[in-house]
Amino acid sequence: AQSVSQHNHHVILSEAASLELGCNYSYGGTVNLFWYVQYPGQHLQLLLKYFSGDPLVKGIKGFEAEFIKSKFSFNLRKPSVQWSDTAEYFCAVNALGEYGNKLVFGAGTILRVKS
Amino acid sequence: KAGVTQTPRYLIKTRGQQVTLSCSPISGHRSVSWYQQTPGQGLQFLFEYFSETQRNKGNFPGRFSGRQFSNSRSEMNVSTLELGDSALYLCASSPGTGGNTEAFFGQGTRLTVV
Repeated sequence: AQSVSQHNHHVILSEAASLELGCNYSYGGTVNLFWYVQYPGQHLQLLLKYFSGDPLVKGIKGFEAEFIKSKFSFNLRKPSVQWSDTAEYFCAVNALGEYGNKLVFGAGTILRVKS
Repeated sequence: KAGVTQTPRYLIKTRGQQVTLSCSPISGHRSVSWYQQTPGQGLQFLFEYFSETQRNKGNFPGRFSGRQFSNSRSEMNVSTLELGDSALYLCASSPGTGGNTEAFFGQGTRLTVV
């Protein structure tokens, strides 16, 4: 069965610090990869996605992620975090491609940015 | 474009009762998926409907069921509620056609079983 592992459950950073959240998945075939963010009291929003092509993808609010196929990883990065980035971040995988939408989520990483 | 709308936002039910949750997808989207979010288990896939047919199913007991109507609106039903069914239930919609697409989530329905 597919699984997604997020390395850290809680991360605390000061404003302007750099962020890297790890995500590894277990599935040998073609996958679609996503990072979603859940701000306090709000719904899940897509940060960025990878379907194919350039393994370095850029998303909203200055976030980017790199797909490394050999490592089954899709780590999220941001060079300089802001207080408003405080949220929970979820990595997700869809292995069904055009056959459906079944997201397998990691456990989530709660990021707190201190101002 | 209006987003994914879930109703009601909050529900309190008693053990043994049944409940129906509703989801209106983004206009033009034909795929609707349901997820359960709990502090202990995180986000877990329940099922996906596409063109009124269940296309994929997660590992939940038969007490959890759903359906999709011709206008793509979807309902999810949980029968014989248990305390452990207390969770945030999320609906996601996507175009669902022609390849890889992303899912757009609603605000969720918070179900509390007492």
